[in-house]
Amino acid sequence: QSALTQPASVSGSPGQSITISCIGTSSDVGTFNYVSWYQQNPGKAPKLIIYDVTNRPSGVSNRFSGSKSGNTASLVISGLQAEDEAVYYCNSYTSVRTWVFGGGTKLTVL
Amino acid sequence: QLQLQESGPGLVKPSETLSLSCSVSGGAITSSDYYWGWIRQSPGKGLQWIGNVDYSGTTNYNPSLKSRVTISVDTSKNQISLDLSYVTAADTAVYFCARRKGGTSWRDFWGQGTLVTVSS
Repeated sequence: QSALTQPASVSGSPGQSITISCIGTSSDVGTFNYVSWYQQNPGKAPKLIIYDVTNRPSGVSNRFSGSKSGNTASLVISGLQAEDEAVYYCNSYTSVRTWVFGGGTKLTVL
Repeated sequence: QLQLQESGPGLVKPSETLSLSCSVSGGAITSSDYYWGWIRQSPGKGLQWIGNVDYSGTTNYNPSLKSRVTISVDTSKNQISLDLSYVTAADTAVYFCARRKGGTSWRDFWGQGTLVTVSS
């Protein structure tokens, strides 16, 4: 199984919005609404910020939102804050009952 | 509050078997609502799903690791285990255990991770 495709890096200024894309195939993102997003800070475990494409766990800021169109899932972070600087990973269920991650996107807040 | 804690040797020799445990506290591993999985991260790299197990012992594995991986559940100890055989330097990574709610992609609780280095 191939990793989902994410941009290596994105950047934005405080207050702006950014979008991170996650490109899969019809065998994963395109078929299943089991797409999640994680935020990871250095030396820490990933933190779940979006699950099942659009849902936010309790306690996660509503500045984070997720969506999907075809084989591409997207994470939008609005009102960027310095604390959002981290690496973001997408994850999807696949047709062979496995899970696949994206390569990760480093977000820099300018 | 649920807590997951990985444990095991930090150094494993090439061609040997890497064995890790994940102890679960604050909740029963026997719940039919959840899957328990292992995910790893090579130094400076991204996340790789290794596999998962449910309360009954049913497993699913990453096809690229399937021939070398065994994940099991020990309900008496409330823990899950990972065995990865014939390791090489490419298996050097931080290994995380995590819980996922069945029927969703809601992987909410993670252990802190444990670094395993493969070296002679």
